[in-house]
Formats: sequence, C-alpha cells, structure tokens
Amino acid sequence: SQKIEQNSEALNIQEGKTATLTCNYTNYSPAYLQWYRQDPGRGPVFLLLIRENEKEKRKERLKVTFDTTLKQSLFHITASQPADSATYLCVGGSTLGRLYFGRGTQLTVWP
Amino acid sequence: DARVTQTPRHKVTEMGQEVTMRCQPILGHNTVFWYRQTMMQGLELLAYFRNRAPLDDSGMPKDRFSAEMPDATLATLKIQPSEPRDSAVYFCASGLASGLAGYNEQFFGPGTRLTVL
Repeated sequence: SQKIEQNSEALNIQEGKTATLTCNYTNYSPAYLQWYRQDPGRGPVFLLLIRENEKEKRKERLKVTFDTTLKQSLFHITASQPADSATYLCVGGSTLGRLYFGRGTQLTVWP
Repeated sequence: DARVTQTPRHKVTEMGQEVTMRCQPILGHNTVFWYRQTMMQGLELLAYFRNRAPLDDSGMPKDRFSAEMPDATLATLKIQPSEPRDSAVYFCASGLASGLAGYNEQFFGPGTRLTVL
C-alpha cells in the first residue's frame, strides 16, 4: 500500500544547528509533497509544498528537497531555535487529491 | 483573518450516542477534508470534498460514519452509533484546488476532541 514514512519519531538538536528531517515514500509517486508543522493541541500549519518536477524550495530558514530517484524528501531548518520545537508532518499528494500523511517527527531544539 | 472553524471543540459522549461535528471552511475554498488523529495511528484522512461533492471517503468506516456538505459554508461529520474506539481529535481542513496542478496548502481548523465512554 502507498506509504509515507518519516523515519525518525524524534530529533533533538542544539540551538543554532541545522535540523534535517527525512520523508520517504513507497509504492506510489506523489505529484507533490507538503510539510506541515503541528504544535500540541493545535491543527497542522502548512509550511512548504514542492512538486515532483522541482528539486528544491526555500522559505526563509526552511529548505525542502525532492529526490524522485531516492524517493525521498529532506526538510531542513537552518539556525534552529527553541521556537522551532514542534512535530513536523510530511504529506504526499496526487493530482487526484488523495493524500498520505507521515506519522511526524517531533523536533526539540534545546538552548 | 480567515480561518477554519470547528464546533464543538470538545465532546464527551456515551457509547451508542450520535455525534455530529461541524466545520466552516474558509470562504472561497473549494475543497474540504476531514481527518482523525490518534496517538496510535497519527493523522488519517477520512473523507474529502471538492466543490461540495464527495471525492474520496475510502478512509471512513461507512457503517457508522457519514460526511456531508449541505452548502459551501458547512461540512458535517456524523458518527452513529459512536464507539470508544472513535475517541480521537477530528480535524477539518479546507483548501483551494487548482486543476491538474493538484492541491495547494490546506488550512486546518482547531479540531474537535471526541471522547466516547
């Protein structure tokens, strides 16, 4: 079955370092990938979308890549801050609208 | 400040009771999604609508769950009868689909926390 996998359940890094989160997909080819941030008790908030024909997207301190050969997306937060601590969700989507969510990676940035 | 609203925010009910959750999508959005989130399963897509028509409800247990959009400003998710395993946070999200380019960002509501005793 189609699947989006975020290999790390948790990632702990020191403030100022770059956080790198991994998302792999299996058994299908998403037309695009999205990354969301979710804080406890709240709904996910959209961060970035990258389409299959794009290799990289940036937004401020965020960068996302899409490697269709490796079937993988990497999500980077540079110069990380404690306020970046949250759960980050990877979502694979098709042009038909079907969406597959990863379980998320809980990022903790410590001072 | 446009946002998705959901009611109720919390619901505690007894097994066998009917539960109705409501969602008001952002004005102008043409897609509405219902999700369920639990610690065990994470975020699961239950159903979604485009231009008020159901496109996919394969993630929804059809024997007890039903989702509708009576009009463009209201989406409902109903569980009848409810069971303890339905306890979860139910999110509604809306977005603007753009043809073959697929879907852009989704805007999530605050969720309804359902507890079935």
